[in-house]
This record gives sequence, C-alpha cells and structure tokens, in this order.
Amino acid sequence: GQQLNQSPQSMFIQEGEDVSMNCTSSSIFNTWLWYKQDPGEGPVLLIALYKAGELTSNGRLTAQFGITRKDSFLNISASIPSDVGIYFCAGTSYNTDKLIFGTGTRLQVFP
Amino acid sequence: DAGVTQSPTHLIKTRGQQVTLRCSPKSGHDTVSWYQQALGQGPQFIFQYYEEEERQRGNFPDRFSGHQFPNYSSELNVNALLLGDSALYLCASSWWGTDDNQPQHFGDGTRLSIL
Repeated sequence: GQQLNQSPQSMFIQEGEDVSMNCTSSSIFNTWLWYKQDPGEGPVLLIALYKAGELTSNGRLTAQFGITRKDSFLNISASIPSDVGIYFCAGTSYNTDKLIFGTGTRLQVFP
Repeated sequence: DAGVTQSPTHLIKTRGQQVTLRCSPKSGHDTVSWYQQALGQGPQFIFQYYEEEERQRGNFPDRFSGHQFPNYSSELNVNALLLGDSALYLCASSWWGTDDNQPQHFGDGTRLSIL
C-alpha cells in the first residue's frame, strides 16, 4: 500500500538532546498529522497541520507543514525518556479523510 | 470523556475462519475508519463508515467488510482468513461535520494472529 517516506528510520539519542524527523510525499497533501505509538497501543495524535507553511507547537514538540505541501517535519526539544516510541507522519489529500501514513521513526532515548 | 474503544484486544484464529472486530467511537464522533497495521509498518487504510454506509475504501479485497450501527459503533469482518491477515487492526473515529479540520483519534487496536 501507499506510504510516505519518513526519515530517519531510527534514532538513538541522549536525554536532553533535540530531535528532528521529516516526511516527504510525491503528491500534494491537504493535511499533515504527527502521531506517536507506544508498544501495544494505538497511535496518539501529537500535532495536526492544515495550512501550507503552518508552524505549530505542542509543548516541546514543533511541526511544520511544508510550503510545497509535499513535506512536513517534527522537532522534539530537550528529549526525555518518555519520548521513546515510534513516530508516524500521516497526511490526507483534498476531499478525503483517508490517512496515508509514513514508515515511522523509532526513537530511543538514553539517560 | 471515553476515547475510542476496541474489542477484543487479542484474537487467535486459524486459516479459513471468519472474524469480527468491534469499535466504539470517541464521544461526539460519528465517523469510523479502520486500518490494518502489519508488524514494523505504518497503518494502511481499509475503509470508512459514516451514516451507516461505507464512504471510502482502500486497496483491500472483498473479504474485508464492515458495518456501522445507529449508535455510530462499527464492526470489521474478515472472511476466509489468510496468514497474511495477521496484524494489528486499528479503529479511528472523527466527526464528519462541515469543517475539514477533524483529526482522527485511534483506539489501541485488536491484535489478530492467524495460525
């Protein structure tokens, strides 16, 4: 099935470091969302973006909707152990709610 | 405020059998979408229900069918199970409304294992 290109695939960082991950698509998206998934649980919505160029923060998380409408990034500042998990980007095209997901970025945080 | 709830949490079936998974949407939501998440991959869209009708469908065979009830809850049915159907099945709910800004919220899924 269709998936967005998400990078990096995995990250191993030290507590307190900043993290950046991004997501690209070959087609234009109308909405970009970022979810976090912990083992045995469903994805939890972190940030939703609805306009090209939009920059939105949620605590230590910041995400941007790319100007070309074909990419998005997520930054996490001052990482903590509970940031461990898999981060997924997802997008929707115009006039559909069907979410297309990225391949995921697995984040490990060491004390 | 109850979030999206799914049942059962785990299920083991054998090839050829049929399975029914259930989902109750978040309070205030009227639209339910189903996704299949294989191990190590992102979720894949199966279909979406609103007003008891299938509104959109992903690239899944007819063995996958669904239903939505008047109380907005939903079922996912899979017939003639294959080994490749082993996955985490996620339900997401949202509000159809007239505003495009309605993100989907997910349940914790049903882990289906086919032997």
